[in-house]
Amino acid sequence: DTEVTQTPKHLVMGMTNKKSLKCEQHMGHRAMYWYKQKAKKPPELMFVYSYEKLSINESVPSRFSPECPNSSLLNLHLHALQPEDSALYLCASSPRAGNNEQFFGPGTRLTVL
Amino acid sequence: AQSVTQPDIHITVSEGASLELRCNYSYGATPYLFWYVQSPGQGLQLLLKYFSGDTLVQGIKGFEAEFKRSQSSFNLRKPSVHWSDAAEYFCAVGPIQGAQKLVFGQGTRLTINP
Repeated sequence: DTEVTQTPKHLVMGMTNKKSLKCEQHMGHRAMYWYKQKAKKPPELMFVYSYEKLSINESVPSRFSPECPNSSLLNLHLHALQPEDSALYLCASSPRAGNNEQFFGPGTRLTVL
Repeated sequence: AQSVTQPDIHITVSEGASLELRCNYSYGATPYLFWYVQSPGQGLQLLLKYFSGDTLVQGIKGFEAEFKRSQSSFNLRKPSVHWSDAAEYFCAVGPIQGAQKLVFGQGTRLTINP
């Protein structure tokens, strides 16, 4: 299996909702990432997990809460989001810490009403 | 600070024509360099990477890129484009501050004329 999968593909939520984005890879990669991408912009790094531990948090608001239950799974829990949080959320993985070759999933298109 | 510049926001070429997308970087040591492609509403797909060694790198879909240290460049080329190459292209450099981070350029949108 050589891909990163993300669910759901699309998500619409209200500002009071709680939802989660899921990411999975079965390539044995030990680093996983969350990115946020606005239209016509490059991806912006949010979080990095290395060997299931949070290693980088790019000063992301606490309404975004990452979780890495095991080496194959990465979740992003969402609560009390704002309309400006609407974006494409991308998950990526890389083979090991220090290897920057990142493999991206197809993304979740999030709309906050 | 590390940075990546893609000077061309939008490029239009005719199908069958050659293509060169420019990428310049600012980095204190020998970087890892990447080119990614993104179709509308999709994730990023890795086209090719440079870590060390041969400065001419071959990638998928007929793309190649050349690392030129003296010019701090890593330009992407393809001898003959296809309509399916229309997409957004991102150049990226890492690691950043020793961490598993990439810095992306702002992207170049490629349009193909039939």
